[in-house]
Amino acid sequence: KNEVEQSPQNLTAQEGEFITINCSYSVGISALHWLQQHPGGGIVSLFMLSSGKKKHGRLIATINIQEKHSSLHITASHPRDSAVYICAVSQSNTGNQFYFGTGTSLTVIP
Amino acid sequence: NAGVTQTPKFQVLKTGQSMTLQCAQDMNHNSMYWYRQDPGMGLRLIYYSASEGTTDKGEVPNGYNVSRLNKREFSLRLESAAPSQTSVYFCASSTLGRWSNQPQHFGDGTRLSIL
Repeated sequence: KNEVEQSPQNLTAQEGEFITINCSYSVGISALHWLQQHPGGGIVSLFMLSSGKKKHGRLIATINIQEKHSSLHITASHPRDSAVYICAVSQSNTGNQFYFGTGTSLTVIP
Repeated sequence: NAGVTQTPKFQVLKTGQSMTLQCAQDMNHNSMYWYRQDPGMGLRLIYYSASEGTTDKGEVPNGYNVSRLNKREFSLRLESAAPSQTSVYFCASSTLGRWSNQPQHFGDGTRLSIL
């Protein structure tokens, strides 16, 4: 049983396309995180959100608490956006129970 | 801009050997974490330390020990390495004791192979 499911697992897009990555979770959460893992392996935290929407540059993250769903959008995609995007959630009734999705591998072709 | 520094970046061990993975952060964070990442699986928490002097087991602690040496450093030890411990290991840190409400900062990872 996976507490966090991401879709799609793999995604290939042409440069300039609008991209959406989805994350569904099955537990009550206190926060949801989007992480980016570069091809070299390093992991960077992109967003942390518990409601609504956040925007940073060409990246937008939304969350619907009632539907237990979050989306990460990339506008005007660029080859440098190629990476694995990971959704993670922490369960709301504890401070140390948290779950990661298996990631979405994005390739943006010039 | 060091952030979270892990050493070594790569290591090959024979079954039964021991080793310690080192992690240090220079952001004055209270909490530190060790994860492993395996193909087809999400990151899994091995151990975490909410503050200096405390450590707690995560999802997959068997075969590992940790030491929170001081506020900056959190090491992970494999006492008797097994092939099942072949993985990429990540150290991370965050400002407060409860990960849930703070973003984490990750190291670059240690690729460990056990033969």
